[in-house]
Amino acid sequence: EAGVAQSPRYKIIEKRQSVAFWCNPISGHATLYWYQQILGQGPKLLIQFQNNGVVDDSQLPKDRFSAERLKGVDSTLKIQPAKLEDSAVYLCASSPRPYTDTQYFGPGTRLTVL
Amino acid sequence: GENVEQHPSTLSVQEGDSAVIKCTYSDSASNYFPWYKQELGKRPQLIIDIRSNVGEKKDQRIAVTLNKTAKHFSLHITETQPEDSAVYFCAAKGTMTSGTYKYIFGTGTRLKVLA
Repeated sequence: EAGVAQSPRYKIIEKRQSVAFWCNPISGHATLYWYQQILGQGPKLLIQFQNNGVVDDSQLPKDRFSAERLKGVDSTLKIQPAKLEDSAVYLCASSPRPYTDTQYFGPGTRLTVL
Repeated sequence: GENVEQHPSTLSVQEGDSAVIKCTYSDSASNYFPWYKQELGKRPQLIIDIRSNVGEKKDQRIAVTLNKTAKHFSLHITETQPEDSAVYFCAAKGTMTSGTYKYIFGTGTRLKVLA
């Protein structure tokens, strides 16, 4: 079974620039999560999708972050404009069925904002 | 809001000794508690989990205990090996008032096993 795929793996941008990350969950997984992991901290949930609907985006800084999962499969997370404090690893995870406990994580995208 | 506290932040043990990492959660509705191991530059990997209807679960050298009354759970690694060196995260899954759920992660413990 293929795992969660993410791209790019690394991205370096200057502040005020825009950036987008892509995630392809495990085939058939209904739930998709985007997490932000700042160095030395645990993952923090940014947004959670059930199929193509948002079920939780309470910690997403909506003035600069946006995410979509239009066809209920892959997803994109965008930051516009980026700030220095956005430097982090952005992890995507998926779960096989609604309300299934186990999450499978992708390799992450390491973002550096200069 | 809900949070998960994790201690210690760093832990060094001699190879063959045991390691214990503790987490405390605030949401009494939490019902699922996974532990993840994250090696440098790699994705978090689920190593063991426990549900709220169970007090203890063991898988070879790894065990997790849960005290629902005190709202804390612990990871126990016995006979530690150098390859156990990594950052370990606990998490708690709780149900929100909307009927959906979310995972709250601890801040991580960097375990170093000294050969």
